[in-house]
Amino acid sequence: NAGVTQTPKFRVLKTGQSMTLLCAQDMNHEYMYWYRQDPGMGLRLIHYSVGEGTTAKGEVPDGYNVSRLKKQNFLLGLESAAPSQTSVYFCASCRSGGPGEQFFGPGTRLTVL
Amino acid sequence: ELKVEQNPLFLSMQEGKNYTIYCNYSTTSDRLYWYRQDPGKSLESLFVLLSNGAVKQEGRLMASLDTKARLSTLHITAAVHDLSATYFCAGGSPDSNYQLIWGAGTKLIIKP
Repeated sequence: NAGVTQTPKFRVLKTGQSMTLLCAQDMNHEYMYWYRQDPGMGLRLIHYSVGEGTTAKGEVPDGYNVSRLKKQNFLLGLESAAPSQTSVYFCASCRSGGPGEQFFGPGTRLTVL
Repeated sequence: ELKVEQNPLFLSMQEGKNYTIYCNYSTTSDRLYWYRQDPGKSLESLFVLLSNGAVKQEGRLMASLDTKARLSTLHITAAVHDLSATYFCAGGSPDSNYQLIWGAGTKLIIKP
């Protein structure tokens, strides 16, 4: 099993550009999450999904959109990137609620100039 | 609303010493998770604590949960350099069946 994978690993954008980050999991997990981690900081939840076709806002959703068209994939979109969105983005998944133990992808390091 | 506080936030210690990281949480939470993050890497699950009095051990690390005191501890025994990392605790939010509430992390540096 590959677990949780993220594409791309690194990206540099100019202010105003758009991009989509892809998260894929092969563990048949119901729940998926997008977090951002700024240097020396903890995790902040951007959006999450409790199943195929569902999404919900987390702590810091502004400037991001998400979609979960397939159970195994969770996409994070930046429509008009800003320097404040420079961060490392982690995707995570878990099997069940409760909430359950989350398994993390390797991260995407995004720089917005 | 659940709040999770870790302390200390930074710890520098010598190899061979023992120390404890504390994770306090503000309201009822019936589950607590510990994760490790190496510099530039992702988060790796260390321990899952699902009941009062739960104790888990892996090598030189031992985690425990006291739901009455709203406290979890991560104890390091005879620290070695390879344990240098940032450790996060996270509690299950009583307001949400889906979200974890994360502590700020404890950066642990173990000097040879």
